[in-house]
Amino acid sequence: DIQMTQSPSSLSASVGDRVSITCRASQSISTYLNWYQQKPGKAPTLLIYAASSLQSGVPSRFSGSGSGTDFTLTISSLQPQDFATYYCQQSYSAPLTFGGGTKVEI
Amino acid sequence: QVQLVQSGAEVKKPGASVKVSCKASGYTFTDYYIHWVRQAPGQGLECMGRINPNSGGTNYAQKFQGGVTMTRDTSISTAYMELSRLRSDDTAVYYCARVPIFGVGYGMDVWGQGTTVTVSS
Repeated sequence: DIQMTQSPSSLSASVGDRVSITCRASQSISTYLNWYQQKPGKAPTLLIYAASSLQSGVPSRFSGSGSGTDFTLTISSLQPQDFATYYCQQSYSAPLTFGGGTKVEI
Repeated sequence: QVQLVQSGAEVKKPGASVKVSCKASGYTFTDYYIHWVRQAPGQGLECMGRINPNSGGTNYAQKFQGGVTMTRDTSISTAYMELSRLRSDDTAVYYCARVPIFGVGYGMDVWGQGTTVTVSS
């Protein structure tokens, strides 16, 4: 199974800040990388697929970049509703493994 | 609308089995893999594997091979995940989610509401 490593595991930020989260794969996964947001008690929601494609309905302040083994999720201007936990996931090969998560706190 | 609706919470004793269902509606069931993901209390997301509802073919994560069985009933657009020989560390919320079978690089765009499984003596 492909291993996914996220950093940092948590971060503190303020409304309006630019925030970046990184994800590294244990082998090259081309651009088969997805990002999810999860709020407490809720199922995750898909933000970004194929490394940089914005899922329908997701605000444009979210963006993704990277290829091969290194990827980044960026939130250009953090909003109050963005405080949550973010996960990367590879979709290169089954099973589709997740990173450990990054909790974005105030 | 497109949705996945899961069965209700379960409480099981160690050593027992549990079977969780995931009913799809609003789309063609056989066009999307159903993946199963679990989340232990306070922990991250863990992929258990997937089933192709069209063929019935499965791929299981190494950790769960021999302990999990994924099946489907296309007549009622429902997928199932059965976990056997339960242990206390199987206590978690179990989610189903869909991914398109055709095309590559897509994520899990629709999720079930989650099913809490508690394993306790």
